[in-house]
Amino acid sequence: QQKVQQSPESLSVPEGGMASLNCTSSDRNFQYFWWYRQHSGEGPKALMSIFSDGDKKEGRFTAHLNKASLHVSLHIRDSQPSDSALYFCAASEGNYAQGLTFGLGTRVSVFP
Amino acid sequence: EAAVTQSPRSKVAVTGGKVTLSCHQTNNHDYMYWYRQDTGHGLRLIHYSYVADSTEKGDIPDGYKASRPSQENFSLILELASLSQTAVYFCASSDATGGSYEQYFGPGTRLTVL
Repeated sequence: QQKVQQSPESLSVPEGGMASLNCTSSDRNFQYFWWYRQHSGEGPKALMSIFSDGDKKEGRFTAHLNKASLHVSLHIRDSQPSDSALYFCAASEGNYAQGLTFGLGTRVSVFP
Repeated sequence: EAAVTQSPRSKVAVTGGKVTLSCHQTNNHDYMYWYRQDTGHGLRLIHYSYVADSTEKGDIPDGYKASRPSQENFSLILELASLSQTAVYFCASSDATGGSYEQYFGPGTRLTVL
């Protein structure tokens, strides 16, 4: 069973629009979450981390964590063509670096 | 910005052969990782290391060995390559800067086992 589940599998968003991605963990030991983005042919790159309940905003990106339900979301405001990529939710049991468990990803396509 | 390089960038290997994938980081990061990426499986952790001369098993270590001879270098070794090990392999490094333990990934090595 996939311990980190993401939805939707793919998403098409108009340029300037809002993209909303979801992530849920089935493992209560996972308390620390990251969002990574991967452009075609490249390695993943961290967008942001979120460890506490509530919202965290970095530029056009806002993450929300609900620890009680182990649900994390990522919202991309004013989507740009450069935001077209594969987005991963990743989780770990502790915030020391023992490695991450990744979801299968959400492919975001931004169209003009 | 953190720099992680991998070599080779692509490789074709024969079934039963030995394959070594190399990773080098120049950021004095303590922690290094090897992941594989397959369509439909996302990224999965193979091995990781906290310090030179020590490695730990990740979620899918079977069929792989790892070596960390120095802080900067981390290798992944497939002693007997199999068809099922065809994948893209990513190396990453991280440290405690800022408390986030952000992982910095290399560009990946595409391995095809025939």
